[in-house]
Amino acid sequence: RKEVEQDPGPFNVPEGATVAFNCTYSNSASQSFFWYRQDCRKEPKLLMSVYSSGNEDGRFTAQLNRASQYISLLIRDSKLSDSATYLCVVGNENTGFQKLVFGTGTRLLVSP
Amino acid sequence: DAMVIQNPRYQVTQFGKPVTLSCSQTLNHNVMYWYQQKSSQAPKLLFHYYDKDFNNEADTPDNFQSRRPNTSFCFLDIRSPGLGDAAMYLCATSRGGQYNEQFFGPGTRLTVL
Repeated sequence: RKEVEQDPGPFNVPEGATVAFNCTYSNSASQSFFWYRQDCRKEPKLLMSVYSSGNEDGRFTAQLNRASQYISLLIRDSKLSDSATYLCVVGNENTGFQKLVFGTGTRLLVSP
Repeated sequence: DAMVIQNPRYQVTQFGKPVTLSCSQTLNHNVMYWYQQKSSQAPKLLFHYYDKDFNNEADTPDNFQSRRPNTSFCFLDIRSPGLGDAAMYLCATSRGGQYNEQFFGPGTRLTVL
């Protein structure tokens, strides 16, 4: 079983739609949680950190449920520029640094 | 201004011919990481340096080595590339300790002929 699991998609949505991605992780000791965005053939870039209390950044809302080991990302009012792969990432403490474990990503395609 | 720089962006090598990928950073971060990302797969950590201390992941093949001559530079050496080593190689840096964001370079796409 993969440590971080995501639906690979693709999710095809029209502009303006709301779309939600989910992710589960298997290591209950994981301490930090993130969503990264990766455009085709580019490097991953941090989209937002995820906290148990939930956090929002403009059109993006992330939520963490530690009891269920479940992370979500909600994108409202989708834009064409949101088309990308969204990587769910968990961070595990490992002798003074944070080891990131990436999911394989969920691909989003926003169409006009 | 680029903070994590990788050279070259595209590298073609022949089966079995050693290749070196380069990463440099202007952030003065303690930690430098090398990840391998194959097509449609998650980035996978190969190893990292915490200052001068090298830390290899348990499942990283011996074929992969790394050098960090100073804070700014880190190299990935692939001693005998196989067809299965074709991938995007991502360098990242962070401050030491937990909860510090990792900053990724643009990656080097390696093709093995």
